[in-house]
Amino acid sequence: GAGVSQSPSNKVTEKGKDVELRCDPISGHTALYWYRQSLGQGLEFLIYFQGNSAPDKSGLPSDRFSAERTGGSVSTLTIQRTQQEDSAVYLCASSPTSGTKTGELFFGEGSRLTVL
Amino acid sequence: AQRVTQPEKLLSVFKGAPVELKCNYSYSGSPELFWYVQYSRQRLQLLLRHISRESIKGFTADLNKGETSFHLKKPFAQEEDSAMYYCALLQAGTALIFGKGTTLSVSS
Repeated sequence: GAGVSQSPSNKVTEKGKDVELRCDPISGHTALYWYRQSLGQGLEFLIYFQGNSAPDKSGLPSDRFSAERTGGSVSTLTIQRTQQEDSAVYLCASSPTSGTKTGELFFGEGSRLTVL
Repeated sequence: AQRVTQPEKLLSVFKGAPVELKCNYSYSGSPELFWYVQYSRQRLQLLLRHISRESIKGFTADLNKGETSFHLKKPFAQEEDSAMYYCALLQAGTALIFGKGTTLSVSS
């Protein structure tokens, strides 16, 4: 079937606006992750969902960032009052297990966010 | 705190030369380590995992607990190996954490 799907692929917004980024994981995958990829910073972990457990939000950089996962499937990452330093590629990944057994994550193509 | 360090941002080699991409980690438990690769205009994907002790596309990586290292090696680099490589550490019960990545450039 299809891989992890993310939308939009590109988003340009003005400083101070809110943005929503969407991720459709591979069907049946119970674990879903958000990472931020930027030059010089590599891949920063943001948040992790595993089944019905409380998400691990330890990587979210500020309270302007939030994410939810509805029905154990689609996830939305929301950034409020965007700042220029939020400009990056936001990657979503899913895994058929918690990830602790295989460590294999399946990544989407990413959403490139540019904050002017 | 758990941490993955990739000291080189860029590694440039000639085709046919040996390659070693360095990765060091800090972790208090028993580590599970991985290498991920992102080729130009492609998705990030798993290259290999230490627990499998496998060779993928000619690449191998050995976990050295004494030196807390998991360097990626290939005896003869090919141009198609040019990509961004990330070392990753699996934290028990949570998410993979990644290093900052090393860009490998192989030229003829």
